[in-house]
Amino acid sequence: QKEVEQDPGPLSVPEGAIVSLNCTYSNSAFQYFMWYRQYSRKGPELLMYTYSSGNKEDGRFTAQVDKSSKYISLFIRDSQPSDSATYLCAMDSGGSNYKLTFGKGTLLTVNP
Amino acid sequence: DSGVTQTPKHLITATGQRVTLRCSPRSGDLSVYWYQQSLDQGLQFLIQYYNGEERAKGNILERFSAQQFPDLHSELNLSSLELGDSALYFCASSTSTGSWVEQFFGPGTRLTVL
Repeated sequence: QKEVEQDPGPLSVPEGAIVSLNCTYSNSAFQYFMWYRQYSRKGPELLMYTYSSGNKEDGRFTAQVDKSSKYISLFIRDSQPSDSATYLCAMDSGGSNYKLTFGKGTLLTVNP
Repeated sequence: DSGVTQTPKHLITATGQRVTLRCSPRSGDLSVYWYQQSLDQGLQFLIQYYNGEERAKGNILERFSAQQFPDLHSELNLSSLELGDSALYFCASSTSTGSWVEQFFGPGTRLTVL
């Protein structure tokens, strides 16, 4: 079993839809949970991060972490065509040894 | 534009060959990270350097090596190339060590091994 599992999609939604992206993980040592957005032919950029369990909101984006279920989600409200990208989840234990572990990414297309 | 530059943008080579990928971090950044992104494995952390010293190792193969020079640019050397090494290779930089919060990715080098 891979440490981080993410449904690769692709996911296609109409403009204005609520999008739900999810990852599961197996390593209970993970403490930091991140979401990256990667546009085509670009490097990833950090979108949001959460420490431990709970929710975090930033504009149209909400990140949720459920450590008991080892499940994280990213919700995008009022999705826009500019949100079309690959979304990668990533996790880190937060120890002194840096080792970010990524999901494979979900390709999202928002249709106008 | 993240401020991280990578050269070349594309590289096509044959199995068994050796290539060098170059990365220039953002001005003032001391840490450089290398990642490999393939369809099979997704994005994987390879190795990190901070101010010229290796700081962390991820899933880097023994055929791969990296270094960071006094001017802080970094090179990733890939040798005895195999078809499976075809991937996007990203470099990222940050001011401090081990910080993914302030990490900025370059545009990547696409390596094709034929």
